[in-house]
Amino acid sequence: EVQLVESGGGLVQPGGSLRIACEGSGFTFSSVWMHWVRQVPGKGLVWVSRINPDGTNVIYADSVKGRFTVSRDNAKNRLYLQMNSLRVEDTAIYYCSRDVFGPRQWGQGTLVTVSS
Amino acid sequence: QSVLTQPPSASGTPGQRVTISCSGSSSNIGSNTVNWYQQFPGKAPTLLIYTNNQRPSGVPDRFSGSKSGSSASLAISGLQSEDEADYYCASWDDSLIGYVFGTGTTVTVL
Repeated sequence: EVQLVESGGGLVQPGGSLRIACEGSGFTFSSVWMHWVRQVPGKGLVWVSRINPDGTNVIYADSVKGRFTVSRDNAKNRLYLQMNSLRVEDTAIYYCSRDVFGPRQWGQGTLVTVSS
Repeated sequence: QSVLTQPPSASGTPGQRVTISCSGSSSNIGSNTVNWYQQFPGKAPTLLIYTNNQRPSGVPDRFSGSKSGSSASLAISGLQSEDEADYYCASWDDSLIGYVFGTGTTVTVL
């Protein structure tokens, strides 16, 4: 069974940094593209980033470009989202998702709150 | 911010057919496939339809998807109370070079 588990969310001040992670199991992690998608509670889904299987090709939404960095450790079946220069508007639930013809299976999400 | 437009709400009585539209452009739906996601309050989204009209295993055949030009639709036949949820369309956008989601539609069973 495919499982994705996000971790690392929490409260951070504006301008601060946070790294969240996603651990995959039940599939060959090193063979799949992965996405990060975020959602302000009560609002819609917003795509953040996509990374290829070996981590050499990463694309970002304009809203996070230059501030967020996605990476992966295939030996640990882990995906990471390093978030710097955080803004209040980055407050959201962050989901990782395995790509099969687009985001397919999703984790339960981790809440990141940016507030002073 | 969303480039795919959906009606904010849709409703029907049990057993009715409900259709949700998703309007895009030539750079997204017009040139790429469409997925549909279902999301219950407080839960992660789940894939409902992929590649325009394909259902993952476990998704009831009451759910169907279609695409024409730069628009797509999700139909729910034989509406059931457990279908009350939010529904999102999504597609790749060649101009934005990224994945885009629809504005979302809340389905209510009357």
